[in-house]
Amino acid sequence: QVQLQESGPGLVKPSETLSLTCNVSGGSLRNFYWSWIRQPPGKGLEWVGYSYYTGSTSYNPSLKSRVTISLDTSKNQFSLKLSPVTAADTAVYYCARGGATVWFDPWGQGTLVTVSS
Amino acid sequence: EIVLTQSPGTLSLSPGERATLSCRASQSVTSSLAWYQQKPGQPPRLLIYGASSRATGIPDRFSGSGSGTDFTLTISRLEPEDFAVYYCQHYGSSPDTFGGGTKVEI
Repeated sequence: QVQLQESGPGLVKPSETLSLTCNVSGGSLRNFYWSWIRQPPGKGLEWVGYSYYTGSTSYNPSLKSRVTISLDTSKNQFSLKLSPVTAADTAVYYCARGGATVWFDPWGQGTLVTVSS
Repeated sequence: EIVLTQSPGTLSLSPGERATLSCRASQSVTSSLAWYQQKPGQPPRLLIYGASSRATGIPDRFSGSGSGTDFTLTISRLEPEDFAVYYCQHYGSSPDTFGGGTKVEI
């Protein structure tokens, strides 16, 4: 079955760039939407954005000016860049299959990113 | 942006009891609504999609109902492993949004 795994730095300085990668195993990126979702400590879930396998993207309007999601079909991965970051971007970041007209399933285990100097 | 309001915020119940969770949308989402369960330190797990279809491997004590703006997740008889936080989510019009969650506690 399809499995997702996030990777990237756990600590980012304010005003710098948060960069995460999601490795997809057990299936292809083809024909699906691929999303990033985040969850600040002790709080609820916020959709960040998605990329379709064609490279078409959509972002949460609250983050749109700072977010880029891209795919690497040769590596079966997709990535998130968020810049510049502030302490408010501290959260567990999840990657998931889905978005647009489709629910999210499955999800990665999540990775905590702390923004602090 | 469609706002999803979940109630109650916390539900205190005992194993074996019935749990009824509500999710109300600020405008119609037709049947484009999913429910997730999240336990501490774990990612959310899909329970229900299309408002009432159970995801693969989900026990039949979980059921979803509703359409338009009012939705319900029912757990017919709570098992110890069901105590968790539950989120609703709409899909189909950007941005996808989540409700604030309902915590089901003992």
